[in-house]
Amino acid sequence: KNEVEQSPQNLTAQEGEFITINCSYSVGISALHWLQQHPGGGIVSLFMLSSGKKKHGRLIATINIQEKHSSLHITASHPRDSAVYICAVRPGNQFYFGTGTSLTVIP
Amino acid sequence: GAVVSQHPSRVICKSGTSVKIECRSLDFQATTMFWYRQFPKKSLMLMATSNEGSKATYEQGVEKDKFLINHASLTLSTLTVTSAHPEDSSFYICSATSPLSGFYNEQFFGPGTRLTVL
Repeated sequence: KNEVEQSPQNLTAQEGEFITINCSYSVGISALHWLQQHPGGGIVSLFMLSSGKKKHGRLIATINIQEKHSSLHITASHPRDSAVYICAVRPGNQFYFGTGTSLTVIP
Repeated sequence: GAVVSQHPSRVICKSGTSVKIECRSLDFQATTMFWYRQFPKKSLMLMATSNEGSKATYEQGVEKDKFLINHASLTLSTLTVTSAHPEDSSFYICSATSPLSGFYNEQFFGPGTRLTVL
């Protein structure tokens, strides 16, 4: 059983499309993270959320604590957004990671 | 944001040799560092948590004698893969955090080290 489930696993979009990636978790958490991993492997932390909504540029992350669900939205998607997006939750000191959503944005 | 570096970025070694991977926090003091392993098309797997000046806490199933972790200073943690075998080939990633620096829940990830054991 995975503590963190992401959907979809793979996503292909045309440039300019609005993209949504979903994350559901089954444990109580102090924070949820959205991470971006590019093909080279490096990981960038996009958001850390404990409630509500955060926005950074074209990226928006929301979390519903009661429903144990978070979404990552990308507006006006661009080929450079192509990467694996990983949801991670933190109950205490332990991190649980989703298996990631592989996004490909086609020009 | 804070920067974490890893060295080397890529290493190829012969079976039976030991390999050391360094993880450095460049512009903050990291009281806690995490080591992850990632298999192809799989998510990150936490291997161990290291706090500066104390022994690392290993996750279940991770051999502490195989994967030696040292966190001797607030800016450096090392992972040594001892007597490496081909099944140790993987992508190793570290991350760092520090409540002392105000990063109460944030983690900053290194760029990763690709280990290939021949």
